[in-house]
Amino acid sequence: AQTVTQSQPEMSVQEAETVTLSCTYDTSENNYYLFWYKQPPSRQMILVIRQEAYKQQNATENRFSVNFQKAAKSFSLKISDSQLGDTAMYFCAFSSATNKLIFGTGTLLAVQP
Amino acid sequence: DVKVTQSSRYLVKRTGEKVFLECVQDMDHENMFWYRQDPGLGLRLIYFSYDVKMKEKGDIPEGYSVSREKKERFSLILESASTNQTSMYLCASRGGRMNTEAFFGQGTRLTVV
Repeated sequence: AQTVTQSQPEMSVQEAETVTLSCTYDTSENNYYLFWYKQPPSRQMILVIRQEAYKQQNATENRFSVNFQKAAKSFSLKISDSQLGDTAMYFCAFSSATNKLIFGTGTLLAVQP
Repeated sequence: DVKVTQSSRYLVKRTGEKVFLECVQDMDHENMFWYRQDPGLGLRLIYFSYDVKMKEKGDIPEGYSVSREKKERFSLILESASTNQTSMYLCASRGGRMNTEAFFGQGTRLTVV
């Protein structure tokens, strides 16, 4: 069974600074996808970024990038130039050929002005 | 825009009642999911469905059942509601490949009294 672990329940960052959210996962599969989702106070969950396990290059979406370490089963999210609108709960998620989508426990990020 | 619509945003039910949570998606997605979100526990998968009339148990199926008679609709049923089922319930849908983005409903805050 796959598991996703987020060890940081809460984090805080100053506006314009950089923050890294951690995620580790466990699987015996070789091909899979990893995702970061954001849930702002409005509650609507939205996709931030995704990474295919077969790609060595780390995914980047504007200010958001990942550090994917397949051997270590680690998938961290880096947010650069943090903005007040980045304040949200961030969830790491895993998906494989079964199409089941498994989430971690989340990290609550507060961006301070 | 993809829409995933949950029938109620807030619901209050009595212990022992049978409760139906409805979810409808308009993107012809194969996969639909029901999650429960609790503070500190993240999103836990209750059930997911990969096709009409097909379902698979998630991590916490006890006390719940599901129904998917039409592709666009996925219902979560609490056979006999209990106070420990007070929670936020999130529905999601996604396409048939493991790399596809999941789209979420707004959530239903269920309180069982």
